[in-house]
Formats: sequence, structure tokens, C-alpha cells
Amino acid sequence: AQSVAQPEDQVNVAEGNPLTVKCTYSVSGNPYLFWYVQYPNRGLQFLLKYITGDNLVKGSYGFEAEFNKSQTSFHLKKPSALVSDSALYFCAVRTGGYSTLTFGKGTMLLVSP
Amino acid sequence: DGGITQSPKYLFRKEGQNVTLSCEQNLNHDAMYWYRQDPGQGLRLIYYSQIVNDFQKGDIAEGYSVSREKKESFPLTVTSAQKNPTAFYLCASRGGDTLNTEAFFGQGTRLTVV
Repeated sequence: AQSVAQPEDQVNVAEGNPLTVKCTYSVSGNPYLFWYVQYPNRGLQFLLKYITGDNLVKGSYGFEAEFNKSQTSFHLKKPSALVSDSALYFCAVRTGGYSTLTFGKGTMLLVSP
Repeated sequence: DGGITQSPKYLFRKEGQNVTLSCEQNLNHDAMYWYRQDPGQGLRLIYYSQIVNDFQKGDIAEGYSVSREKKESFPLTVTSAQKNPTAFYLCASRGGDTLNTEAFFGQGTRLTVV
């Protein structure tokens, strides 16, 4: 089985401060991990993915994510938040034997001016 | 431009009607997916297709049907058997034959029962 948990429904951060959106996963094999962002009434946009190799993955719009195998986590980070980063963020996982992505429930990020 | 096009953007359905949501892609992707999004529930998989003329049920297939007659197209029909169809529907596609490729999403169709 494969599953993803996003423990926070909402994250609030002030503009210019660092942000972290948390994600933990559960799979029986090696995970392929993804982060997507969704703006209101729009589809999901791909941000970044972890396949193998370097545990720190860099993606679009200054976002990065850190893969931690021992903690089964893949937290999304950004050093300095922008108001325009306010959106709904989804973590997703796929592993061998599964041809589909499993998504978390999403975390709403609100960046205040 | 390459991408996934969903139409219509907004759709209203009367009780007891079937409606069909369109999804077209020009990315030459083999795999296509339909998800349903409800507030606070994330994305739930309805159906997926990995190749033309073949498709599989996802986690919440009851009350829905699909076809995959062409590589570019994966329409979703919401039947009258779906008792709570009001939701945001997202279509996605994925290329490559490995597990590590990302999926690309359309802009969604918001279906409302009136």
C-alpha cells in the first residue's frame, strides 16, 4: 500500500520568513515523491520531485524539498515566502507496483504581507 | 502549446441527468487519469487508463464511466447513479514508461447539480 499524510490543514507565515509544509509517507518499497501547487479554481502545477540521489531537491519558484528516509518525510521548504505563494499544496507518492499517484489531503499556505 | 484541455470549465447538471466531461491532451502521453476534488479530502482517483482501449477503476469509480478510444482523449461520464456529483474534476496525463515521471493536470471542470 502507499499513503501520504499532510498533518497541517493550514500553515501561516509572514512574507519574507522561511516556510515549511510537512509531508510524511508510507510505502513498502522505494518512494517517488512529488509536490504540486494549486491556485483557486485551477489545476495542479508540478513543483518538484524526488526520485533518487541527493536528498535536497530544488524545484520551481524557489521551492525545495528535503527527503528523509529514516523519518519517511518529504517536507517542502522555501527560504523566504512571498504573498503570491499563498495556495493549496499537495504532496504525492508512487512506488513500485502502483501506476497511480496517491495524494495527501493538501495544506493551505497563507502568506501575510 | 502542448497541454491538457478540459471542457467545459463550469457544468450544471439536473437531477437524473448524465453529463460528460471532456479531457484532451496533445502531449503524446499514454497514461491518463480522472480525479475528483472535494474540500478537505484531497484528490481521489476515479478512473485511469494506461493505454488506448484499456482503463481501470480507481478508488471511487461508482457512478462514473469512461472510454479511451483515442490516445488524446479520455472523457468522463457522470451518470445518474452518482448520488453526490457536485465537485471539482481534474484530468491528468503522464508520459514515459517509468514510475518517476510527473503527471500534468488540466484546469479542471466544476460540476454543480441544480
